[in-house]
Amino acid sequence: QVQLVQSGAEVKKPGASVKVSCKASGYTFTSYEINWVRQATGQGLEWMGWMNPNTGYTGYAQKFQGRVTLTRNTSIRTAYMELSSLRSEDTAVYYCARGNGDYEGAFDIWGQGTMVTVSS
Amino acid sequence: SHELTQPPSVSVSPGHTARITCSGDALPNKYTCWYQQKSGQAPVLVIYEDNKRPSGIPERFSGSTSGTMATLTISGAQVEDEADYYCYSTDTGGKEVFGTGTKVTVL
Repeated sequence: QVQLVQSGAEVKKPGASVKVSCKASGYTFTSYEINWVRQATGQGLEWMGWMNPNTGYTGYAQKFQGRVTLTRNTSIRTAYMELSSLRSEDTAVYYCARGNGDYEGAFDIWGQGTMVTVSS
Repeated sequence: SHELTQPPSVSVSPGHTARITCSGDALPNKYTCWYQQKSGQAPVLVIYEDNKRPSGIPERFSGSTSGTMATLTISGAQVEDEADYYCYSTDTGGKEVFGTGTKVTVL
């Protein structure tokens, strides 16, 4: 079935970087955008950026410009989100989500989420 | 500051109608979609393009827009509809943004 499976939980120290993976299955990986969304504990959803897996084109929320990098490896149908210069406020669950053009880009498939904890 | 504003909470009795609003200056020019997020789970798309339901979403969920406000309506709310709901659209700067979120309690 159509799904996105993310990598496991991470614990990082302040100032470090984290790279989360998102593996697609059940559909043509290069035909749908991948978006990244995060959610701090007890807080709302926050859109971080998007990537076109076919072209590699990306777009980022202004808040994360310069700190987040979205990449992909089409041979293994996997998208990646790397966040650098981590601080305690980056502790959150990070989701990847498929943007479906048939739904005007709405996110119809979500990964299970990856918990990233930033602590000294 | 958030560009899409929602009420923090809405309560509804089972079988009654719940309405969740989403206010934003850019809404007249952009599509709005809605996500449902149950505790400890990933969000689920319930409305896209203002008022369309993806396959598998019950008919009791509907969406509408008027000016700078979008509304998600749950007609005949069920206990299983208890969740957080988020609108999503584009802000005045052309960037994607989620609403502040609304906790719906069915009791």
